[in-house]
Amino acid sequence: ETGVTQSPTHLIKTRGQQVTLRCSSQSGHNTVSWYQQALGQGPQFIFQYYREEENGRGNFPPRFSGLQFPNYSSELNVNALELDDSALYLCASSATRDRNTGELFFGEGSRLTVL
Amino acid sequence: QKEVEQDPGPLSVPEGAIVSLNCTYSNSAFQYFMWYRQYSRKGPELLMYTYSSGNKEDGRFTAQVDKSSKYISLFIRDSQPSDSATYLCAMNRGTSYGKLTFGQGTILTVHP
Repeated sequence: ETGVTQSPTHLIKTRGQQVTLRCSSQSGHNTVSWYQQALGQGPQFIFQYYREEENGRGNFPPRFSGLQFPNYSSELNVNALELDDSALYLCASSATRDRNTGELFFGEGSRLTVL
Repeated sequence: QKEVEQDPGPLSVPEGAIVSLNCTYSNSAFQYFMWYRQYSRKGPELLMYTYSSGNKEDGRFTAQVDKSSKYISLFIRDSQPSDSATYLCAMNRGTSYGKLTFGQGTILTVHP
């Protein structure tokens, strides 16, 4: 059983640029959530995708957008990057049957630095 | 005020010590309570989750929930150097699937 994989692991962008982060969910999981973890902070919920539709969103502006594909993999897109977007971006997957338990399986994250 | 408050530490203890980690929360809608462990440069991994008030034990770990006080704890017995990590409490309303609200995380170091 493969776990959650994310790419790229590290990347550096400049202010104003756009970035796309990718996530492959764990086998059998059809729900994907994205989190932003700033240095020294806990993860913050960005949004969740279930059956290719956004199914819940945290307090993030519209320049944060996402997609989920039929194979349940997902992308996080961030436009007009700002310095405060520098963080570890975590993808987590879960199976529908566990949706009320909070049992999420996280990837190792993509570390974004905005200069 | 943050919905979930967690003392960031850092906490440093000798091997074999009992460790107590705590979180308080303000939103009574939270129904599920979790503890995640995050090693450096890794994603969080689920340690324990509980639904109701009371204790839940798993090996050296005990999770405690007191809904009336809006307070949760994680106890680690016989702590090991391999327990050195950041511990994150997290909560869920039970209707919002993958949306967890995390605490800030407590950095724990267990020294030999």
